[in-house]
Amino acid sequence: GAGVSQSPSNKVTEKGKDVELRCDPISGHTALYWYRQSLGQGLEFLIYFQGNSAPDKSGLPSDRFSAERTGGSVSTLTIQRTQQEDSAVYLCAAGRRPIPGNTIYFGEGSWLTVV
Amino acid sequence: GDSVTQMEGPVTLSEEAFLTINCTYTATGYPSLFWYVQYPGEGLQLLLKATKADDKGSNKGFEATYRKETTSFHLEKGSVQVSDSAVYFCALTTDSWGKLQFGAGTQVVVTP
Repeated sequence: GAGVSQSPSNKVTEKGKDVELRCDPISGHTALYWYRQSLGQGLEFLIYFQGNSAPDKSGLPSDRFSAERTGGSVSTLTIQRTQQEDSAVYLCAAGRRPIPGNTIYFGEGSWLTVV
Repeated sequence: GDSVTQMEGPVTLSEEAFLTINCTYTATGYPSLFWYVQYPGEGLQLLLKATKADDKGSNKGFEATYRKETTSFHLEKGSVQVSDSAVYFCALTTDSWGKLQFGAGTQVVVTP
């Protein structure tokens, strides 16, 4: 919604392979978040970026997960050596600060299936 | 830690019925509260929000009032339509970064 683009929309990968998920937020939205939505776990926070720095990485489930952001814009979430439990929808969200005064917009998500 | 509890679904209603989805929270500090909606095949959208006690958020006929004394933020709509069929998430944030803590979501199915 509202201009947050995520790719790929669907990805099927073999266990043990690496995957990259991309998020392209609305221009000027300096706050960027990654969430994971899975059956049984609901919506989980993964990481927060303000500009290019990530002051809160507390939700990354293991060291196989990493994320970066460049130019205060596009962000990439990388999952190394994927496992079946990584299967989920990965959601990106972005907004202008200050939050919560300003709305956070979510993308439609990247559906990851690990087989 | 912070948490959000919302009623389990699915909730099945007939068109024009009254809808209530209960949401309660626990939080340190003073949270801002939100309802998000996820329509089939679409991303999460903000439905309404309230940032302080006694505030009422409203949008598209939905309302929710921030009740600090009961730590609740129940969502209501007086007359639902088939197009309101979706999953509804209650959420809160307590930090200035806007990190959201979500409830488990409630699926609502409205039949003609």
